[in-house]
Amino acid sequence: RKEVEQDPGPFNVPEGATVAFNCTYSNSASQSFFWYRQDCRKEPKLLMSVYSSGNEDGRFTAQLNRASQYISLLIRDSKLSDSATYLCVVNSGVGGFKTIFGAGTRLFVKA
Amino acid sequence: DAGVTQSPTHLIKTRGQQVTLRCSPKSGHDTVSWYQQALGQGPQFIFQYYEEEERQRGNFPDRFSGHQFPNYSSELNVNALLLGDSALYLCASSLGPGTAGNTIYFGEGSWLTVV
Repeated sequence: RKEVEQDPGPFNVPEGATVAFNCTYSNSASQSFFWYRQDCRKEPKLLMSVYSSGNEDGRFTAQLNRASQYISLLIRDSKLSDSATYLCVVNSGVGGFKTIFGAGTRLFVKA
Repeated sequence: DAGVTQSPTHLIKTRGQQVTLRCSPKSGHDTVSWYQQALGQGPQFIFQYYEEEERQRGNFPDRFSGHQFPNYSSELNVNALLLGDSALYLCASSLGPGTAGNTIYFGEGSWLTVV
């Protein structure tokens, strides 16, 4: 089993749609969680951190369920510019952390 | 504020050769991590350096080695290159290795092609 697993995608949605991405992680000792966005042939960039209480940043909402070891990202009112690969990221470790990425979910937003 | 810088941006090597990739962390950061990203895959953690020591390592063979210098910059060395080593190599920096909540920032990567 992979340490971090994501929906394989791709997701093809029209502008204005709401889309949700799911992610599960296997290490119950994982300490922090993030969503990164990666455009084609570019480096990943931080989209948002994920907290147990849930957090929202404009059209983006992230949720963490530690009991189920599950992370989600919701994008409302999709824009063409949201087209990218979304990477689920989990940090774990003591005295030095390992950052484990999911394989990513590709999103295509169509006009 | 200088971000993470990597060099070279693109390079082509022959099987069996050795390669060295370089990274300068974001200003104020002291921890460097390296990742390998094959096409269509997420980045795979290679190792992390802090205080010039390797602190964590992913599932990569000993052909992959690294170094961190007193100015926090880092090198990734890959020996005996294989075709399967062709990938984007990403360097990321952060402040301190012990706080897993620290955000990591990526450089633009080095594209390695092995022929």
